[in-house]
Amino acid sequence: DVKVTQSSRYLVKRTGEKVFLECVQDMDHENMFWYRQDPGLGLRLIYFSYDVKMKEKGDIPEGYSVSREKKERFSLILESASTNQTSMYLCASSSGLAGYNEQFFGPGTRLTVL
Amino acid sequence: KQEVTQIPAALSVPEGENLVLNCSFTDSAIYNLQWFRQDPGKGLTSLLLIQSSQREQTSGRLNASLDKSSGRSTLYIAASQPGDSATYLCAPSNQAGTALIFGKGTTLSVSS
Repeated sequence: DVKVTQSSRYLVKRTGEKVFLECVQDMDHENMFWYRQDPGLGLRLIYFSYDVKMKEKGDIPEGYSVSREKKERFSLILESASTNQTSMYLCASSSGLAGYNEQFFGPGTRLTVL
Repeated sequence: KQEVTQIPAALSVPEGENLVLNCSFTDSAIYNLQWFRQDPGKGLTSLLLIQSSQREQTSGRLNASLDKSSGRSTLYIAASQPGDSATYLCAPSNQAGTALIFGKGTTLSVSS
């Protein structure tokens, strides 16, 4: 079975802190994604990566950056956390092979910024 | 820009009922469509993936259909059980390997 893991289930940080959210997948997938989920707004794409060291902005990249140094790991970085970044963060991965693009999600990280 | 709507937003049924969840999308040029289940406070579990060339997919008591030309997909759940209670999300993608566009989901409650 595909497994996507995220470094923390719950995280509490202070305004202005630099925050790292880590995501690891074990299926050698080319594509990895970071979404955030908020009540009433649904899931929105922050960034995605289709290869090592490659990244593309999603719909709401402001205030975030990403890093993909190894194929299995995709990190989301909040450069200076703000209260409006309190949210559920979900990581996903998928194969780059046509016809095999099913996305698999991690358990999520509930981030609270005080 | 692709927009996804799921109706109804919430649904309560007694155990044993067959039910249909609806998903509509504005851009019919999709590559594939996934249905997910989400339990409160948890991540998403993939239920079914339908490629754009397919009309339906089945897994156990679940059957998902796709009508690209009309921009619709339905998820049929047979003989519902209390364990089916969750939020169900529909998400098409417009190209291979790209991000999914999510609807806001249908929250299902099945009572025993």
